[in-house]
Amino acid sequence: EIVMTQSPVTLSVSLGERVTLSCRASQSVSSNLAWYQQKPGQAPRLLIYGASTRATGFPDRFSGSGSGTEFTLTVSSLQSEDFAVYYCQQYNNWLHTFGQGTNLEIK
Amino acid sequence: QVQLQESGPGLVKPSQTLSLTCTVSGASINSGSHYWSWIRQPAGKGLECIGRIYSSGRTNYNPSLKSRVTISIDASRSQFSLQLSSVTAADTAVYYCASSGYDFWSGYYDYWGQGTLVTVSS
Repeated sequence: EIVMTQSPVTLSVSLGERVTLSCRASQSVSSNLAWYQQKPGQAPRLLIYGASTRATGFPDRFSGSGSGTEFTLTVSSLQSEDFAVYYCQQYNNWLHTFGQGTNLEIK
Repeated sequence: QVQLQESGPGLVKPSQTLSLTCTVSGASINSGSHYWSWIRQPAGKGLECIGRIYSSGRTNYNPSLKSRVTISIDASRSQFSLQLSSVTAADTAVYYCASSGYDFWSGYYDYWGQGTLVTVSS
């Protein structure tokens, strides 16, 4: 099983700030890495796939990068609607596994 | 636009079998383009893949749950189902059904149901 580790667990930031979330895989997953956004009481929503391709409906202030074992999600200028929990997920190998999440909260 | 909707009991007694169904609309469940999956999330915790099924009936299960899980598909009803036996309180979670692509490079979950809370309690 590939273990996905996200950091930090919680990130307190202000509106308009630029933030970077990290995700590390215990072994290479190539570019088979997705990011999801989850708001309270809602299902996760696909945000990034293929490590860097933005899903439909998300603005270009969201960007993903990385390959192999190290990945990042960057939000260039935080808006109020961006405060949520973000999960990374590898789909290079079954069992697909998720990180524990990063909670992006308002400072 | 693929839509998924979970249904089933919200309360299950310990040692009994949890049974959920996911109804798919907006896509053919036997098109061969998707894997159909179950994912769960205990309150305040992260996401765990339970298993998935392809239109042929081929399944992949989470090894930690494999002895207790059965996922099946009913193309005539455009549904797939989850059975989890011998449940305990540790199985209390929101259960999601979701879809992903067939090819391994499209294994991200692009469509999700809204989730259903299943509580295991006597």
